[in-house]
Amino acid sequence: QSALTQPPSASGSPGQSVTISCTGTSSDVGGYNYVSWYQQHPGKAPKLMIFEVHKRPSGVPDRFSGSKSGNTASLTVSGLQAEDEADYYCSSYAGTNHLLFGGGTKLTVL
Amino acid sequence: QVQLVESGGGVVQPGGSLTLSCAASGFTFSGFGMHWVRQAPGRGLEWVAFIRYAGSHTYYADSVKGRFTSSRDNSQNTLYLQMNSLRPEDTGVYYCAKDFYGSGFYPTTLDSWGQGTLVTVSS
Repeated sequence: QSALTQPPSASGSPGQSVTISCTGTSSDVGGYNYVSWYQQHPGKAPKLMIFEVHKRPSGVPDRFSGSKSGNTASLTVSGLQAEDEADYYCSSYAGTNHLLFGGGTKLTVL
Repeated sequence: QVQLVESGGGVVQPGGSLTLSCAASGFTFSGFGMHWVRQAPGRGLEWVAFIRYAGSHTYYADSVKGRFTSSRDNSQNTLYLQMNSLRPEDTGVYYCAKDFYGSGFYPTTLDSWGQGTLVTVSS
């Protein structure tokens, strides 16, 4: 099982929207609705931002949204703020009792 | 609130062993599956292991299967990761994390994370 594919970097200006993709296969992203997104600031632990493709845990701003089409999931951050600058990782259940992470995307707020 | 505190990291020679612990509080530990995830320096996240809430089943990434063993003591609210035959590529920060689903059977969603403990495998 290979890691899910994410772009290494993404950027946007404050107030803009940015979308980060996460591409897998029909055996992981395309096969299950257990796609999650995590935010990680430098030197900090990851934080769950989206689960089950599009659901937000309590306390996560609604500026963060998730979706999926086929084997590709997406995280959209609307109304970009300076504090959104971080690394973002997707994950997906991959069957056979395995979990896969994406390689991570560094989001820069210009 | 949920608190997870890892310990046991350090420097170990290739081929050596190390046991990590994760002390949990703020939730019913015995009701949730738990994960180990690692992050090599400057690299991304890698899922390592998942143990079901009762400890009856454990699942591992192919990269550690046969070398790492996850266990838990629900009476002590503690999760463990026994690491044997360590390799330089096992170097990284090891996080324990709580699964979102109570009594979940499979590794799906990590909703709370510890701050991690650093493991360095080097001669």
